[in-house]
Amino acid sequence: DTEVTQTPKHLVMGMTNKKSLKCEQHMGHRAMYWYKQKAKKPPELMFVYSYEKLSINESVPSRFSPECPNSSLLNLHLHALQPEDSALYLCASSRETVNTEAFFGQGTRLTVV
Amino acid sequence: AQSVTQLGSHVSVSEGALVLLRCNYSSSVPPYLFWYVQYPNQGLQLLLKYTSAATLVKGINGFEAEFKKSETSFHLTKPSAHMSDAAEYFCAVKNNDMRFGAGTRLTVKP
Repeated sequence: DTEVTQTPKHLVMGMTNKKSLKCEQHMGHRAMYWYKQKAKKPPELMFVYSYEKLSINESVPSRFSPECPNSSLLNLHLHALQPEDSALYLCASSRETVNTEAFFGQGTRLTVV
Repeated sequence: AQSVTQLGSHVSVSEGALVLLRCNYSSSVPPYLFWYVQYPNQGLQLLLKYTSAATLVKGINGFEAEFKKSETSFHLTKPSAHMSDAAEYFCAVKNNDMRFGAGTRLTVKP
């Protein structure tokens, strides 16, 4: 099983809403990632978790709040987003953070209205 | 810091023609390099990876890439393009995190 599952697939939210994106993997991977991808651009790294601890935060605004409840789950809590935050949000996992390939989920298409 | 540069944001080939997508890397240590493909509104799928075991790496869907240290390159090739190869292709390098090139959109003409 090399699957990373993201829910929901699509999300429309208002600027005052609070929502969460969910990511799950059952490959025993100890590194998990959140990426943001705008149209016609490469994925941009947001957060890296290693062994359930936040190891990299790429200066992401505090309206994005990651959480790793256990080794299989990764959440991204959203609050007071702006329209420019509309994008495809990709979750990925890898066996370790160093030098191993990452497996990506299908993404959540987020639209902020 | 490690990085990759993809030359050519858009490549167009005819069906059956050779596909060549270019990627150059910058790294002070032996890099771990990857090629991913992304179809519209989908996630990224791993095509192949270089991990220093062999310089010529074979991947899925008939793609392969050759690591050339002297040229700091890791170009992706496929001998004969198929319509289903039309997609966005990303070269990536990984240390503690995965960093992507700008991407190359491949168009395949019938």
